[in-house]
Amino acid sequence: GIQVEQSPPDLILQEGANSTLRCNFSDSVNNLQWFHQNPWGQLINLFYIPSGTKQNGRLSATTVATERYSLLYISSSQTTDSGVYFCAVEGMNRDDKIIFGKGTRLHILP
Amino acid sequence: GAVVSQHPSRVICKSGTSVKIECRSLDFQATTMFWYRQFPKQSLMLMATSNEGSKATYEQGVEKDKFLINHASLTLSTLTVTSAHPEDSSFYICSASNERGTRTYEQYFGPGTRLTVT
Repeated sequence: GIQVEQSPPDLILQEGANSTLRCNFSDSVNNLQWFHQNPWGQLINLFYIPSGTKQNGRLSATTVATERYSLLYISSSQTTDSGVYFCAVEGMNRDDKIIFGKGTRLHILP
Repeated sequence: GAVVSQHPSRVICKSGTSVKIECRSLDFQATTMFWYRQFPKQSLMLMATSNEGSKATYEQGVEKDKFLINHASLTLSTLTVTSAHPEDSSFYICSASNERGTRTYEQYFGPGTRLTVT
């Protein structure tokens, strides 16, 4: 099955800093989503982005499907951005299931 | 839009009892729902995929007789943990999608249920 690797595993930043989170995947995908899991466990949709670039406020994401990676950019970080960021992919084959990466744990210091 | 609720948010039960967790899509019809399990500081593990009106598809290693899934309507799926044991203690999360056929799922997640079996 598809392998999903996220980097870095952990990131500690000062409030106001920018960050780039990466998601590499080992095969072509039908679907890719970025999620933010807040400290209470709730997963929040950030982007549905199997290819291309999207922006939503301080967040943006780019997926380069041909090179099998996606990037999530967070600008002007706020303490509420803390939590774990997951990417999840779905492969092209009929039997492929949705695979989550191990996540990037982001901690924004006030 | 795309709000998913889960109930209960937290449950403690005794070993040997059964627990039912409900997942509801509040403002859209969910043709497909997913159930995940998450251990502390780990990623989500897909347990099963359920389509409305048909049997759930379980992932390898997930006991279908232990984790009963019912998706009786387009807005409700339930997960019943039968004869629960302490090793079933975990954070269970559901997600819902209104896409099927093309196999591209944009998922919306419930807030999760923390199960503790004593």
